[in-house]
Amino acid sequence: QKEVEQNSGPLSVPEGAIASLNCTYSDRGSQSFFWYRQYSGKSPELIMSIYSNGDKEDGRFTAQLNKASQYVSLLIRDSQPSDSATYLCAVASGSARQLTFGSGTQLTVLP
Amino acid sequence: DGGITQSPKYLFRKEGQNVTLSCEQNLNHDAMYWYRQDPGQGLRLIYYSQIVNDFQKGDIAEGYSVSREKKESFPLTVTSAQKNPTAFYLCASSVRQGRTDNEQFFGPGTRLTVL
Repeated sequence: QKEVEQNSGPLSVPEGAIASLNCTYSDRGSQSFFWYRQYSGKSPELIMSIYSNGDKEDGRFTAQLNKASQYVSLLIRDSQPSDSATYLCAVASGSARQLTFGSGTQLTVLP
Repeated sequence: DGGITQSPKYLFRKEGQNVTLSCEQNLNHDAMYWYRQDPGQGLRLIYYSQIVNDFQKGDIAEGYSVSREKKESFPLTVTSAQKNPTAFYLCASSVRQGRTDNEQFFGPGTRLTVL
């Protein structure tokens, strides 16, 4: 059974701070890793994808992957109230690259 | 505009009824997926399809059925055999399953409530 674990939160950070979201996964053969943002009542929106060890930056977002530790994280710099949402970690594995989702971390950015 | 559409947005079903949820995409994606989300939980895969006229069961396929007669369309039927169907149903698509960069994009979802 493939598992993806996230701290459920809620995580609260002040506006302008760095928010750090973490995810661990059980399948060592996993190849691709994704972060989705989901606002309340809405569908998930893909915000970052990462496929190799190290950091990947896109604007205020940085994804970090460490396959040896089976750990992937998302950093949000200069957090804004509009970043308040649930962040879902998804991991692809197997020949079909099927996604397994974590249960999400709820982030609140306080003005 | 390219994207994924789902209808209806809200659906109410009486016990014992079958209902069909629509999913259409104009992204020219080969692969399509159906997920279910329950409150406070992640997404669970119901069915997926890599090509027309072919589909595979996901982790929680019991009580559901699908068809893929056209590349653009992947409807999901929630049958009366599904014991707890109240949930948020999400359709997704990707260029092609099996690629490392198999980014999946989601439609707006259908919220199903059993009365």
